[in-house]
Amino acid sequence: DIQMTQSPSSLSASVGDRVTITCRASQSISSYLNWYQQKPGKAPKLLIYAASSLQSGVPSRFSGSGSGTDFTLTISSLQPEDFATYYCQQSYSTPPIFGQGTRLEIK
Amino acid sequence: QVQLVQSGAEVKKPGSSVKVSCKASGGTFSSYTISWVRQAPGQGLEWMGRIIPILGIANYAQKFQGRVTITADKSTSTAYMELSSLRSEDTAVYYCAGQQYAFDIWGQGTMVTVSS
Repeated sequence: DIQMTQSPSSLSASVGDRVTITCRASQSISSYLNWYQQKPGKAPKLLIYAASSLQSGVPSRFSGSGSGTDFTLTISSLQPEDFATYYCQQSYSTPPIFGQGTRLEIK
Repeated sequence: QVQLVQSGAEVKKPGSSVKVSCKASGGTFSSYTISWVRQAPGQGLEWMGRIIPILGIANYAQKFQGRVTITADKSTSTAYMELSSLRSEDTAVYYCAGQQYAFDIWGQGTMVTVSS
């Protein structure tokens, strides 16, 4: 199975900050990488698919980049509603493994 | 826009089985592959398996092979996940997720508690 490792595991930031979360795959997954946001008590929500494509309805302050084994999710200017947990997930092969998550907290 | 609505919370005894449903409304059920993903309390997301409803073909994560069965009823646009031989470690929120590009749409989750 392909393993996905996110860093950092947690992050404190302020409204207006630029934030970057990293995801690394244990082998090349081309651009088959997706990002999700999950708020407490809620289902995950798709933000970015295919490494850099913005899901419909997602604000443009979210962006994704990378290919191969290294990927990033960037939030250009944090808003209060962005404080949540973020997961990456590879869709290159079965099983579709998720990263362990990055908890983004208010500083 | 397709929405996925899951059945309600369950409390089960160890050794029993649970069957969770996921009904699609507002669009074409058959255009999605339906996966089941679970999340234990305070933990991350774990994929259990998927089904292609128009074909009725399912595949499962190795960890759950022999214990999980995923089915779909095209006539009612409903997918089901049955997990047997329940143990305390199966206490989790179980989500269905519809996949086109990624896990594009999600059900609201079903809490399954396994307790004696």
